Formats: sequence, structure tokens, C-alpha cells
Amino acid sequence: AQKITQTQPGMFVQEKEAVTLDCTYDTSDQSYGLFWYKQPSSGEMIFLIYQGSYDEQNATEGRYSLNFQKARKSANLVISASQLGDSAMYFCAMRWGGSQGNLIFGKGTKLSVKP
Amino acid sequence: SAVISQKPSRDICQRGTSLTIQCQVDSQVTMMFWYRQQPGQSLTLIATANQGSEATYESGFVIDKFPISRPNLTFSTLTVSNMSPEDSSIYLCSVVRLSPPRGNTIYFGEGSWLTVV
Repeated sequence: AQKITQTQPGMFVQEKEAVTLDCTYDTSDQSYGLFWYKQPSSGEMIFLIYQGSYDEQNATEGRYSLNFQKARKSANLVISASQLGDSAMYFCAMRWGGSQGNLIFGKGTKLSVKP
Repeated sequence: SAVISQKPSRDICQRGTSLTIQCQVDSQVTMMFWYRQQPGQSLTLIATANQGSEATYESGFVIDKFPISRPNLTFSTLTVSNMSPEDSSIYLCSVVRLSPPRGNTIYFGEGSWLTVV
């Protein structure tokens, strides 16, 4: 069965510093996709970054990068130069096999950026 | 990206009533998805809404409780029927959108925050 694990319920980071949010996954499928979303207190889910299982290079989107280690089944999110507006819940999610829009989510990590 | 609008954004509902949530997408999509996020929890898929056919429900969710309509390729509704306090959640719709060079990316609406009293 597919599973996403986020082991950090909460994280603190100083403004302007980098932070890594951990995500490990479990699937027997060869084809899958990994997503990270940001959820502010307003409740919307904001797409941050995507990594396909066959992508050889780590994905990057502005200040966000995904440290994809396939053999370890990890897909950690790195946020560089943290800003106060980065304070939010962050969810790692996986789409597997033939599923197009069916995501399974981790429990999330609450990031707090300190001024 | 995709522009996905949901209505209502928030509502307080009486126990035993029903509420319909609307989801409007800025362009045509084949499949739309409805998720539920209970307080302090992660997201769980309720159903997949396909245009021209009945929705496909995930285990633990039934059509009588969560009827879904998909009248066209840009719109869907989710009704939460006979609500109880346990239905207090954020309900989110999502779509798959081809976003080169990433491929198929999944975007979410702003969410509809329901509180049942």
C-alpha cells in the first residue's frame, strides 16, 4: 500500500535561513509523482513543487527545491531564504501508478518562521 | 497554474441540514476531485467527478451523504447531506492540469470551510 510519512509535526526557522522539511514515501509502483503543498491558516492548498519518479534532476521552483533520493524513498522540501509569509502547514503528497488526481497525503509539518 | 473558485468559502450550518459547495475552474478539465480535511488532519479523497458519468466514491464515502454533480467540464458541486458536527471540515476541489515542463500537476481550490452546530 502507498504511504507518505512526515515525521516533523512542527519546525522553527529563523527568517532568511534555509529549512528542510522531511518526507518519506512507500510504494511498489515504478511510476509515481511527489507533490508539496503549502496550507496557510486560510485553508487553501497552494501547489509548491512536483517531482516525477523518472525525473533525473531535482525539481526547483523559485525558493523551493525538492531533494529527491529515490533509493531512500525520500522527497524532502528545501525552502531557501525563509520569509515570515512561509509560516504555514506543509503537506507532502504522492500520486501513484495510473491514478491521475488521487493523492495520498502525509500528516503535515507546521513551519513557523521567526523574525 | 489553474484558477479554481469555490463557494461558499465559509459557512456555519445547522445540524440536519444540507449544503452544496460549488467549484468553478477557469478552463475545461476531464476530471475533478473532492477532498475533505477534518480539523487538524490531512486531506482525504471523497470522490472523483467525471463529466457525463456518475462520480466514483472512495471507501467510506457514499453518494447519499455526498452527492456530486458534474454538469460540464468546468463546474462541479458537492453536497454534504444531513450534516452532523462530524462533518465540520474544509472541503476542497482539485483538478489535474498539464503544466509543462512538469507534466500533470494537481491544483486545489481555495477550500470551503464548514462548521456544523
